[in-house]
Amino acid sequence: QVQLQESGPGLVKPSETLSLTCTVSGGSISIYYWSWIRQPAGKGLEWIGRIYSSGSTNYSPSLKSRVTMSVDTSKNQFSLRLSSVTAADTAVYYCARESYSGSLNWFESWGQGTLVTVSS
Amino acid sequence: SYELTQPPSVSVSPGQTASITCSGDQLGNKYTCWYQQKPGQSPVLVIYQDNKRPSGIPERFSGSNSGNTATLTISGTQAMDEADYYCQAWDSSTANVVFGGGTKLTVL
Repeated sequence: QVQLQESGPGLVKPSETLSLTCTVSGGSISIYYWSWIRQPAGKGLEWIGRIYSSGSTNYSPSLKSRVTMSVDTSKNQFSLRLSSVTAADTAVYYCARESYSGSLNWFESWGQGTLVTVSS
Repeated sequence: SYELTQPPSVSVSPGQTASITCSGDQLGNKYTCWYQQKPGQSPVLVIYQDNKRPSGIPERFSGSNSGNTATLTISGTQAMDEADYYCQAWDSSTANVVFGGGTKLTVL
């Protein structure tokens, strides 16, 4: 059973860059897609983007200009960087393993989530 | 941008059938999945590819998708099914994952 664990600072200042890492255990990061999804308190889910084990990426059109994802297969980790953050980026951030084929997708395993607050 | 619309809340009595809808333009031409999220927990996939159940998900959960509406059906609803439910689809035209706004299911 694959397990995912998010890590990173819980507090980020406005205009700075949010950085999170997801560590995958119980399975290889290879041959899968890996996504980041966030959820503001009391609100719904928002997809941020995905990365394949080869390093290819797809980002949400609404966040594309501020998002960078990377993968380190040697450490079984993938990462998220979100630049120029504002209070609107305050949310619980989840990493997830995704099944994706071009015409459909689903998120089959999720991390426990990590709260990131943007505040000075 | 593509949007998925869910009712904010649905109520059901224990043992009865709950139906949660998700509407979108020609949604039946896309594949839909559903997630259950209990307070303070991560979402759990309960239906994928319109009507498939992941291993470990009870048979009382089923899904359908046709026209402009996808439906999650919970037969013989139990108290433990009380949660928020989110539909989700992949919009290939915008290369974007789209989530519905979520439905709070109350079992009373």
